[in-house]
Amino acid sequence: EPEVTQTPSHQVTQMGQEVILRCVPISNHLYFYWYRQILGQKVEFLVSFYNNEISEKSEIFDDQFSVERPDGSNFTLKIRSTKLEDSAMYFCASKRDRNTEAFFGQGTRLTVV
Amino acid sequence: QKEVEQNSGPLSVPEGAIASLNCTYSDRGSQSFFWYRQYSGKSPELIMFIYSNGDKEDGRFTAQLNKASQYVSLLIRDSQPSDSATYLCAVNTKDSNYQLIWGAGTKLIIKP
Repeated sequence: EPEVTQTPSHQVTQMGQEVILRCVPISNHLYFYWYRQILGQKVEFLVSFYNNEISEKSEIFDDQFSVERPDGSNFTLKIRSTKLEDSAMYFCASKRDRNTEAFFGQGTRLTVV
Repeated sequence: QKEVEQNSGPLSVPEGAIASLNCTYSDRGSQSFFWYRQYSGKSPELIMFIYSNGDKEDGRFTAQLNKASQYVSLLIRDSQPSDSATYLCAVNTKDSNYQLIWGAGTKLIIKP
């Protein structure tokens, strides 16, 4: 069964460092998303991506965040200068169509120290 | 501000009983509704989705949607200890460009 894959599963980084979180969405899906979930809190939308551009982003997705789809398969989230409060689980999701269900990757646990 | 509300719980249900989870949403333009299950430290896993008013059954799970009252529920029959998890309600709306609006989740505990 097709699935969304994310790497790495766990990333520890020092404050101020750049991190890149990687995702491979399901191959025939067209809509891609990044969400994050701080421990014990609700899932928060970060950004949606369609047709090689950002379609929507939340207030959380400020200038330190960027997304790319560098080739036909990967979808990356870059955090330029990490802060302690960026520590969270980051989930990538993809959808076939905009009104269909989203399938999630297993997440990357980011720990900023 | 579009909102999705869930009782945070925990909801404790004896094994074998029916667990009933509820969710209300504020945006009348909401078009599709999803229930995800999330185990601690894991990603959300899709359980059910529903688009039309009424009931939708899949195995032990039944999703119920009432657009007039703006609520969606999930029933789990014959509850098992492995059903213990946090259940997240998520809603797609056209106005939010179809990005999911999430509830905070209901923690469900099935007691053997």
